[in-house]
Amino acid sequence: AQSVTQLDSQVPVFEEAPVELRCNYSSSVSVYLFWYVQYPNQGLQLLLKYLSGSTLVKGINGFEAEFNKSQTSFHLRKPSVHISDTAEYFCAVSVPGGSEKLVFGKGTKLTVNP
Amino acid sequence: DVKVTQSSRYLVKRTGEKVFLECVQDMDHENMFWYRQDPGLGLRLIYFSYDVKMKEKGDIPEGYSVSREKKERFSLILESASTNQTSMYLCASSFYGRAPYEQYFGPGTRLTVT
Repeated sequence: AQSVTQLDSQVPVFEEAPVELRCNYSSSVSVYLFWYVQYPNQGLQLLLKYLSGSTLVKGINGFEAEFNKSQTSFHLRKPSVHISDTAEYFCAVSVPGGSEKLVFGKGTKLTVNP
Repeated sequence: DVKVTQSSRYLVKRTGEKVFLECVQDMDHENMFWYRQDPGLGLRLIYFSYDVKMKEKGDIPEGYSVSREKKERFSLILESASTNQTSMYLCASSFYGRAPYEQYFGPGTRLTVT
C-alpha cells in the first residue's frame, strides 16, 4: 500500500521569500505524483503532476516540484511567494494500473506574511 | 472546464436529522468520490463509486451511505447526523481507467451538526 508524508504541518514565510514544502511517499511500485492547493473555504485544485520523464515539473502560479526516486520525495518549491499563496497544500499519489484512488498526505498550511 | 458542484456551501443540521449532500459533475466522469476533511487529518475517503449503482467503502464509511442513480450525480447520506460528523465534505470525480487518475474537486460543504 502507498502512503504519503508531508513533513511540515505549517510553514510560515515572509512575502517574496522562497519556500519549499516537503513530501515523501512510500510505495513498492512506480507512482504518479500530484500537488493540490486549497485556498480558504474552497475545494482542491491541481497545482502540478508528475507522470514520467523529466523530474522537474512546472505548475501553475510559479510553483515547481522535483521528483527524486532514490529519496522517494516530491518537494514543492517557489522562488518568491506572494500573500495570495496562503493556502493549504496537499501531496498525493496514485499507482499505474491501480485502484484509481488518490492517497493524500495530511496537508501543509502555508502562511505568507507581509 | 470541468465543473463539480455541491448543493450547499454551508449547512447546519440538528443531531439525529437525516442529511443529504449532493454532488453533480458535468464531465461524464465514471468515478466519483466523497471525502471528509478535518484539521490535522487531511482528506479521508468515505465512499467511492465507479459506475451508476456501484459503490465501494472508503476508509471511514461508518455512519454514512451513498446513492448513485445517475452518472453525473453522487449523494452522501448521513442517516442520523451526530456532532462528530461536523466537518468539511468534499466531492471529487475522475475518468475511469484513465491514468494518472487525476481528480477534480467541488467547492466543499461545511456541515455543522448541533
